[in-house]
Amino acid sequence: GAVVSQHPSWVICKSGTSVKIECRSLDFQATTMFWYRQFPKQSLMLMATSNEGSKATYEQGVEKDKFLINHASLTLSTLTVTSAHPEDSSFYICSARPGTSFGELFFGEGSRLTVL
Amino acid sequence: GEDVEQSLFLSVREGDSSVINCTYTDSSSTYLYWYKQEPGAGLQLLTYIFSNMDMKQDQRLTVLLNKKDKHLSLRIADTQTGDSAIYFCAESPYNFNKFYFGSGTKLNVKP
Repeated sequence: GAVVSQHPSWVICKSGTSVKIECRSLDFQATTMFWYRQFPKQSLMLMATSNEGSKATYEQGVEKDKFLINHASLTLSTLTVTSAHPEDSSFYICSARPGTSFGELFFGEGSRLTVL
Repeated sequence: GEDVEQSLFLSVREGDSSVINCTYTDSSSTYLYWYKQEPGAGLQLLTYIFSNMDMKQDQRLTVLLNKKDKHLSLRIADTQTGDSAIYFCAESPYNFNKFYFGSGTKLNVKP
């Protein structure tokens, strides 16, 4: 099956610093990538949708300036958490949809961010 | 985002059937999905159903869709301990530009 890789899988940073998380589709071209935040009680919250070469579409309530998303190529999207604070600590998951797919998403294994 | 609701936990005995329920609010949902998340792993697609279908069966899995009530269910027959995982329902419109997930149901299968 198609593989999506996220890096880093775990990052700890100090409050006020910025952290970049990468999401790569290893063996397919991803027309669209989605970024989710998974809360402790399991729920997956859609943060934004990104299409290659265009600006990301953010969900209501998600701060564009805090969560910068760049979809520079058909195999790479990045999420940068700027000026991170402890409340940004969470599990961030990306998923990618191949252009040829009817709609199946392939998920990365997630990145756990801990802000001290 | 759209509301997709699931109960958080379900516990069954090995060999029994499991039924996981989901409700959604978006009437424009075109595709509805069930994803499985095993510990330490990413979500993987189990099955999906198109909104003009009522039922879909795939080996031990049966998906039922009640479009009028916006209710989706996943039945796992002869549940095994290897089925223990978190099951997420999800929905997307016809152009796949959004995917909204439920909170996930943690299925615990007792030997």
